[in-house]
Amino acid sequence: SQQGEEDPQALSIQEGENATMNCSYKTSINNLQWYRQNSGRGLVHLILIRSNEREKHSGRLRVTLDTSKKSSSLLITASRAADTASYFCATVPSGSARQLTFGSGTQLTVLP
Amino acid sequence: DTAVSQTPKYLVTQMGNDKSIKCEQNLGHDTMYWYKQDSKKFLKIMFSYNNKELIINETVPNRFSPKSPDKAHLNLHINSLELGDSAVYFCASSQAGTSAETQYFGPGTRLLVL
Repeated sequence: SQQGEEDPQALSIQEGENATMNCSYKTSINNLQWYRQNSGRGLVHLILIRSNEREKHSGRLRVTLDTSKKSSSLLITASRAADTASYFCATVPSGSARQLTFGSGTQLTVLP
Repeated sequence: DTAVSQTPKYLVTQMGNDKSIKCEQNLGHDTMYWYKQDSKKFLKIMFSYNNKELIINETVPNRFSPKSPDKAHLNLHINSLELGDSAVYFCASSQAGTSAETQYFGPGTRLLVL
């Protein structure tokens, strides 16, 4: 079964607005990563947050991690039409160095 | 420069056939993976492989087998294809010893079994 569940499944916003996506997972983790997938393409790594970190920034991306609630959020600020894509969280379980387990993904549509 | 490449991009075939998908990475990574993405976009790990160990997801039918001629290549061979094998298959790679364990994905192979 999927490790992670993402919420919402789909999100539609206007250009310039912020987009927030949430991810919940079930087991203890080593780190949590967010990936982006444009339609018909492969996944691209966006950002990684380790289990001992609570917040991380990269450009217009902000990721938070709450290990007590087993949840993470990805915030994209000042969204652009080019941000339209599917966004996936992926966890590396504790003790498992390489096995990424993906969430179900959020389809983000940014309207111009 | 393509970091992780896969061929073919599209594969349409009949049920019962045997097919292979090729993957190559030029990143010098020591670990490679195969994932299956279904029509609902669920991504599931099938295999991870380096020169020391092969980890198989127990839910993968034994009709699927990874073959690695060298560190830069991990091919996926599928025997007796079934309708349910239709999906997008992604290859990925990463480097052991890096705490990040970031994976780099290929563009995917869209397999349609008729």
